[in-house]
Amino acid sequence: EDKVVQSPLSLVVHEGDTVTLNCSYEVTNFRSLLWYKQEKKAPTFLFMLTSSGIEKKSGRLSSILDKKELFSILNITATQTGDSAVYLCAVGSLTASGSRLTFGEGTQLTVNP
Amino acid sequence: NAGVTQTPKFRVLKTGQSMTLLCAQDMNHEYMYWYRQDPGMGLRLIHYSVGEGTTAKGEVPDGYNVSRLKKQNFLLGLESAAPSQTSVYFCASSERGLAERPDTQYFGPGTRLTVL
Repeated sequence: EDKVVQSPLSLVVHEGDTVTLNCSYEVTNFRSLLWYKQEKKAPTFLFMLTSSGIEKKSGRLSSILDKKELFSILNITATQTGDSAVYLCAVGSLTASGSRLTFGEGTQLTVNP
Repeated sequence: NAGVTQTPKFRVLKTGQSMTLLCAQDMNHEYMYWYRQDPGMGLRLIHYSVGEGTTAKGEVPDGYNVSRLKKQNFLLGLESAAPSQTSVYFCASSERGLAERPDTQYFGPGTRLTVL
């Protein structure tokens, strides 16, 4: 059974801190790994990673994938209160019944002023 | 573009009642999905559709039915609601399949359903 595990489940930091969120996975027929940010409502897409060792960057957020060790990290530097959200990791795979995304349970990040 | 919209936003049902959740997208996407999100469980796929007139089971399909009579709409039905179906339901659509381009998936704002 495909599995995606995120850690920590919850994190509280102060503005300006740097945080690292972790995502490990066990899936067959891996195709991609995605990060989402979820505030009150719908998840919004951040990054998609398909190759090991290539960093994706968007402003203060960056992410990298290690396909050998089966994990990814999401870094947020100089955190702001607007970064407070649940960060979801999802892994795309191809199964006998079709393609699917398996989600982790998320990391709740709280950034205090 | 409204993107992906869901109706209703909130609903409270009694055990045994039925209801239909409506999802609509205006991006001309072929693929549509229904997920549920429960505390500590992440999002889990209920049913999906790869085009008008098609539906397929996801990870947790029991107790739900779906229909895709029009390309822009994907309906999720609960025939006899149970407390275990209390959850937040998200609809999503994508331009391409999840194996090819999962980054093209857009989510609706969610429906919070409580079954008493």
